[in-house]
Amino acid sequence: EAGVAQSPRYKIIEKRQSVAFWCNPISGHATLYWYQQILGQGPKLLIQFQNNGVVDDSQLPKDRFSAERLKGVDSTLKIQPAKLEDSAVYLCASSFGTSNEQFFGPGTRLTVL
Amino acid sequence: QKEVEQDPGPLSVPEGAIVSLNCTYSNSAFQYFMWYRQYSRKGPELLMYTYSSGNKEDGRFTAQVDKSSKYISLFIRDSQPSDSATYLCAMHNFNKFYFGSGTKLNVKP
Repeated sequence: EAGVAQSPRYKIIEKRQSVAFWCNPISGHATLYWYQQILGQGPKLLIQFQNNGVVDDSQLPKDRFSAERLKGVDSTLKIQPAKLEDSAVYLCASSFGTSNEQFFGPGTRLTVL
Repeated sequence: QKEVEQDPGPLSVPEGAIVSLNCTYSNSAFQYFMWYRQYSRKGPELLMYTYSSGNKEDGRFTAQVDKSSKYISLFIRDSQPSDSATYLCAMHNFNKFYFGSGTKLNVKP
């Protein structure tokens, strides 16, 4: 069974630029999560989708971050404009349902200069 | 107060030692408890998934949940250098997942 796919794996941008990350969850998983993991910290939930609807985006900085999950499968997370403090690993995870264990992708390491 | 507290370590042990990793939490509504292992520059991978109180064993790994004390543990027997990683505890109450900050473990050969 294929795991959660993410791209790109690494991205370096300058502050105020825009960036987008892509995630393809495990086939059949209805729930998709985007997390931000700053070095030395645990993952922090940014947004949770159930199919193509948003379940929780309470910690998403909506002035600069946006996410969508068209057709309830793939998802993209965008940052526009980026700030220095956005430097982190962005993890995508999926699960069969909201109460099931999550499976994580390898993450995208973002460096904002 | 954070929902989940975890000692960041680092924890350094010799090969073959028994390792004990712990988390405390504040929300008594948590029902599901997980341990993830995260190698450097990789995403977290699920190690153990338990429901409510009690023990669960899988090979060299044992997960323990004490809901009365709001305390969970992961024990690693006969630790190996390949166990060197960051271990994250996580828990949820049907709606939302909460992660600890992770404990970095180094097993020396």
